[in-house]
Amino acid sequence: IVLTQSPGTLSLSPGERATLFCRASQSISSDYLAWYQQKPGQAPRLLIYGASSRATGIPDRFSGSGSGTDFTLTISRLDPEDFAVYYCQHCDTPPYTFGQGTKLEIK
Amino acid sequence: EVHLVQSGADVKKPGESLRISCQGSGYSFTNYWINWVRQMPGKGLEWMGRIDPSDSYTNYSPSFQGHVTISIDKSINTAYLQWSSLQASDTAMYYCARLSTHFYGSGSYYYYMDVWGKGTTVTVSS
Repeated sequence: IVLTQSPGTLSLSPGERATLFCRASQSISSDYLAWYQQKPGQAPRLLIYGASSRATGIPDRFSGSGSGTDFTLTISRLDPEDFAVYYCQHCDTPPYTFGQGTKLEIK
Repeated sequence: EVHLVQSGADVKKPGESLRISCQGSGYSFTNYWINWVRQMPGKGLEWMGRIDPSDSYTNYSPSFQGHVTISIDKSINTAYLQWSSLQASDTAMYYCARLSTHFYGSGSYYYYMDVWGKGTTVTVSS
């Protein structure tokens, strides 16, 4: 399964809304779709699992949705700490592929 | 508190062997698969493979099958990633991550990687 994220780079200002997309090459169960955030020099951090459930400690400005082949991560109002790289990943049948990432940068 | 503690950075020459480690603490180590993820400099995340600590069963990505070996020593709650002959292209950051399963009813589960090590930098250079 190939996961394709778009856009590659998203330039927005703090306070704006961000919408990131992840498309799978074939239908996958939303139970196995997760989103991660990675900041420079840090390990990835789990944000969303099961396509729409927030991980422990994740602010409610982060939300996930989607099913089948199309999934979305939305950040309702960008905080300066949200500028990072975001990856989607499926944990269905191995290999557990990642998308190539979306870099969210400050405009 | 749940942690995955990885071994320190390493510098090797092409053709040398290497084993890096990932030690779990704060949870029942044998109940969660351990995954290895590569991140080459300036690039994205690549899933390499996983191991079931309870029985050492492994799955590998086709991209890494035959080039790396994932193993476990459950007596010390430690997973390993090893190379028998490193190449310059193995230069990367390597993360281990715990795969969690979350039962939510009617035989349904979520799977996700909820705990990550801080990473081990491997540099291969002559």
